[in-house]
Amino acid sequence: EEQLLESGGGLVQPGGSLRLSCAASGFTFSSYAMSWVRQAPGKGLEWVSAITGGDAHTYYADSVKGRFTISRDMSKNTLHLQMNSLRAEDTAVYYCAKDRSLNAFDIWGQGTMVTVSS
Amino acid sequence: DIQMTQSPSSLSASVGDRVTITCRASQNIGNYLNWYQQKPGKAPKLLIYAASSLQSGVPSRFSGSGSGTDFTLTISRLQPEDFATYSCQQSYSPPYTFGRGTKLEIK
Repeated sequence: EEQLLESGGGLVQPGGSLRLSCAASGFTFSSYAMSWVRQAPGKGLEWVSAITGGDAHTYYADSVKGRFTISRDMSKNTLHLQMNSLRAEDTAVYYCAKDRSLNAFDIWGQGTMVTVSS
Repeated sequence: DIQMTQSPSSLSASVGDRVTITCRASQNIGNYLNWYQQKPGKAPKLLIYAASSLQSGVPSRFSGSGSGTDFTLTISRLQPEDFATYSCQQSYSPPYTFGRGTKLEIK
């Protein structure tokens, strides 16, 4: 069974950093692009970042560009999101998602909550 | 960035009804349009990809249509488990923007 399991969320002060991880299982991790999608409390879904499978090209939403870095560890089948200079508006549930093709996300993790507050 | 406008924002319907949700893109995105269902406290679930292709395991009462800038998601006969929030997403070019969602409630 294809599964994704996020970890690393928590409470952080404005300006702080956090690193999210997403452990993949049940599929050939290296063959698929992966994304992070977030959802602020009571709000809609916001795509955050993506990384392609083979050549590891990365893409970011303007709202996080220069502050967040997506990466993947093929040896551990794990996706990461390094988040720096965090702001209150980054508060959200962060989901990792597998791209089945054509940038459609068919497998999602359970989500990890990030709260940015003093 | 491509903007996705979804309507209505909320909808009340009864079990057995046919409902349609629309999504409009701010530019031509071909058929690079996906639909998701989300229930409270849960991750989204992919229903339709490439505008009209049914994701494996999704009931056939769900269908999608459209191309270019205008798209629709139709649920032919609502079941109790279909009451949820539905969101469209363009996958034509990053950022892969979502619509603001349509909350489908029981009448």
